[in-house]
Amino acid sequence: DAGVTQSPTHLIKTRGQQVTLRCSPKSGHDTVSWYQQALGQGPQFIFQYYEEEERQRGNFPDRFSGHQFPNYSSELNVNALLLGDSALYLCASSLAGLGIKYGYTFGSGTRLTVV
Amino acid sequence: DAKTTQPPSMDCAEGRAANLPCNHSTISGNEYVYWYRQIHSQGPQYIIHGLKNNETNEMASLIITEDRKSSTLILPHATLRDTAVYYCIVRAINGATNKLIFGTGTLLAVQP
Repeated sequence: DAGVTQSPTHLIKTRGQQVTLRCSPKSGHDTVSWYQQALGQGPQFIFQYYEEEERQRGNFPDRFSGHQFPNYSSELNVNALLLGDSALYLCASSLAGLGIKYGYTFGSGTRLTVV
Repeated sequence: DAKTTQPPSMDCAEGRAANLPCNHSTISGNEYVYWYRQIHSQGPQYIIHGLKNNETNEMASLIITEDRKSSTLILPHATLRDTAVYYCIVRAINGATNKLIFGTGTLLAVQP
């Protein structure tokens, strides 16, 4: 049973560019959350998608946007990249309503470096 | 969600029990204590959670004080593979949001 799959694993982008990160949730899960983890810090919640809609959002600017597809996979898009966007981006999946009780399954993340 | 306080780092000898403390003095009656860990270069991994009773699973034990203001995660026989950052998180299961609020956690270093 595959867990959460994220792609790519590493990415280097230039300031001002746009980036798209992808996530396939664990089999049977229908909810996807995205987190940003700066070096030496804990993950910070970006947003959560369920039924192809953004359900909750953390304190991130509109440059961060996402999408969920009918097969529950998800994309995270970041526009006008800043050096401060360099981080590990984590995707977590769960079954709606049960994730917070039974735990989220995280992927290994995408390491984004902005130069 | 209540704030948690954890020591930044701890050491433990391989084969010995690792006891990781967490303070959550402002915890509310409907808030659970969750533990996740993050091994280097991987995503966080769910370990265990509890409300007020002690809990045990195949990975660890969770001891919550009677006043619920603090808790301890116990890894009974630590191995080198348990070296990781351990996060203690407090939140309500039926809260307004489902997001997890991570602090900076405790870096547990298991020594051979």
